Amino acid sequence: DQQVKQNSPSLSVQEGRISILNCDYTNSMFDYFLWYKKYPAEGPTFLISISSIKDKNEDGRFTVFLNKSAKHLSLHIVPSQPGDSAVYFCAAKGNSGYALNFGKGTSLLVTP
Amino acid sequence: DTGVSQNPRHKITKRGQNVTFRCDPISEHNRLYWYRQTLGQGPEFLTYFQNEAQLEKSRLLSDRFSAERPKGSFSTLEIQRTEQGDSAMYLCASSLSGTGYEQYFGPGTRLTVT
Repeated sequence: DQQVKQNSPSLSVQEGRISILNCDYTNSMFDYFLWYKKYPAEGPTFLISISSIKDKNEDGRFTVFLNKSAKHLSLHIVPSQPGDSAVYFCAAKGNSGYALNFGKGTSLLVTP
Repeated sequence: DTGVSQNPRHKITKRGQNVTFRCDPISEHNRLYWYRQTLGQGPEFLTYFQNEAQLEKSRLLSDRFSAERPKGSFSTLEIQRTEQGDSAMYLCASSLSGTGYEQYFGPGTRLTVT
């Protein structure tokens, strides 16, 4: 069963605006969360991560928010740029190993 | 380029044949992971090595699959008696213990079984 869910297969945003990508998880044993970006014909590229003991982590234009009680995290990209157009994967790590559990991804299109 | 490299990038094989893929991790990364990704899905964990020891295996890793990392550097993933359902992108990732949980992925090997 899918323990990490990205319910929006696609998202379109205008350049300069905020992109918000959402992710829900079901396993309360997840203790670390990551976002990856993937371009066609390339492997996923690490973007930003957050530990379960935090509720926010920021790196430049990227901010990840974690709401543990709702088992929900989101990635905010501000301002969005055309080069941000890619598939974004949410991933989570359990507290007893190192395997990452991925969602199905959200395809972001940033239009000029 | 000091990133994760994978060879070959593409492999077409006939059903029933054996295939082997190679992964070279980032230099000095002691952890190495294999994932499989099919169309419309995120990567699915297959197995993980710390140095040369295989420490974790997914139930997805059937007995037709075997992975090795003999000297704690590069790794190979072999699939025996390939089936059409094995067609997927096989991704390798590496990480360094003590520096967080981020994994760095290679470009993948796309396997097509005809």
